[in-house]
Amino acid sequence: KNQVEQSPQSLIILEGKNCTLQCNYTVSPFSNLRWYKQDTGRGPVSLTIMTFSENTKSNGRYTATLDADTKQSSLHITASQLSDSASYICVVSRGNKLVFGAGTILRVKS
Amino acid sequence: KAGVTQTPRYLIKTRGQQVTLSCSPISGHRSVSWYQQTPGQGLQFLFEYFSETQRNKGNFPGRFSGRQFSNSRSEMNVSTLELGDSALYLCASSLDTGKDYEQYFGPGTRLTVT
Repeated sequence: KNQVEQSPQSLIILEGKNCTLQCNYTVSPFSNLRWYKQDTGRGPVSLTIMTFSENTKSNGRYTATLDADTKQSSLHITASQLSDSASYICVVSRGNKLVFGAGTILRVKS
Repeated sequence: KAGVTQTPRYLIKTRGQQVTLSCSPISGHRSVSWYQQTPGQGLQFLFEYFSETQRNKGNFPGRFSGRQFSNSRSEMNVSTLELGDSALYLCASSLDTGKDYEQYFGPGTRLTVT
């Protein structure tokens, strides 16, 4: 079983709408949780990094939350744009290694 | 500052051949990690190099190997290619080794094995 589970697997929303992506993890202990955005054909780009003591972190229209008790994180995208169409990957660090989720593919339609 | 660069960007090889991929990290970064990304498996960690030494290794067969040079540039080699090795190979660099350092990814090398 993957130690980092993301849902939904894929999502289609209309431009201007908000959406929330979920990440549940069983990795323990962990030191930080990251969200990456990966455009098609490109490498992932970091959106946020949160330590276990942080509850929320924002990067423009992207807001990540973390509940270390329930081992859940979410990434909220506000006022979506066409350029938000990408894969969003949740990554949990364990020791010196990173454990990756399979990603959520987001498609924003006009 | 220039980002992480990977060469070549695309590669087509035949089963049984070997391939070498190259990664140039961001200037000043000493850690380089390699990942394999496939649609079914997502990102899988291959190995990490720091100061020319392999620091961590993922669960991949010995056909996958790598090295790092004194200027921090890194190469990975895959010998006796199999169809299942078709994937996007990503390299990421960071200032230092360790879980808390931000990793910056390159654009990847798309390898197709026929």
